[in-house]
Amino acid sequence: LAKTTQPISMDSYEGQEVNITCSHNNIATNDYITWYQQFPSQGPRFIIQGYKTKVTNEVASLFIPADRKSSTLSLPRVSLSDTAVYYCLVASWDSSYKLIFGSGTRLLVRP
Amino acid sequence: NAGVTQTPKFRILKIGQSMTLQCTQDMNHNYMYWYRQDPGMGLKLIYYSVGAGITDKGEVPNGYNVSRSTTEDFPLRLELAAPSQTSVYFCASTGLAGVNLYNEQFFGPGTRLTVL
Repeated sequence: LAKTTQPISMDSYEGQEVNITCSHNNIATNDYITWYQQFPSQGPRFIIQGYKTKVTNEVASLFIPADRKSSTLSLPRVSLSDTAVYYCLVASWDSSYKLIFGSGTRLLVRP
Repeated sequence: NAGVTQTPKFRILKIGQSMTLQCTQDMNHNYMYWYRQDPGMGLKLIYYSVGAGITDKGEVPNGYNVSRSTTEDFPLRLELAAPSQTSVYFCASTGLAGVNLYNEQFFGPGTRLTVL
């Protein structure tokens, strides 16, 4: 299973766009790139998932270059409530769907 | 739907005691997972199940056991509690997926376990 590397922490201000980049150099052909958000004392919550190019949903965008060795989560116009830990992970499917979490990026959004 | 529920929310054990962490999902998901999260760290997969009667080890299975007799329930058993098992335990589930299809995992609220 591919390991991921992402910044330990990031700071931002309300209303700004935040981009969190993650590297996953040994991603396999069938692997998907997935991002989860976790607030203190809660379980992780799914944000977005993609395989290649760009994926957008109501809360975020995910950019994946052609070589798929990295990905960037983009959060438009963050608010204080976006302060959380964000996990980039590679979701592997063989006989079941497995997630291996890294240490995550702590995002602090300031007023 | 309640989603994924876990009991208890908190528990303190003495070294050598045993306990079972309960996990139930009402989404008719085939796949269920147990993770542990140590302070300031990401989650580590302990065990998983692809359906009733089928379980397999994850990254860190030592000291734990699981069973899956129904689709809804996936209990995690600690037989001889050790201080190294002090952690927050999360249960998760996901629906049936095939190759090249993805399914997000739905997580429970967690059980905070302290072993003294």
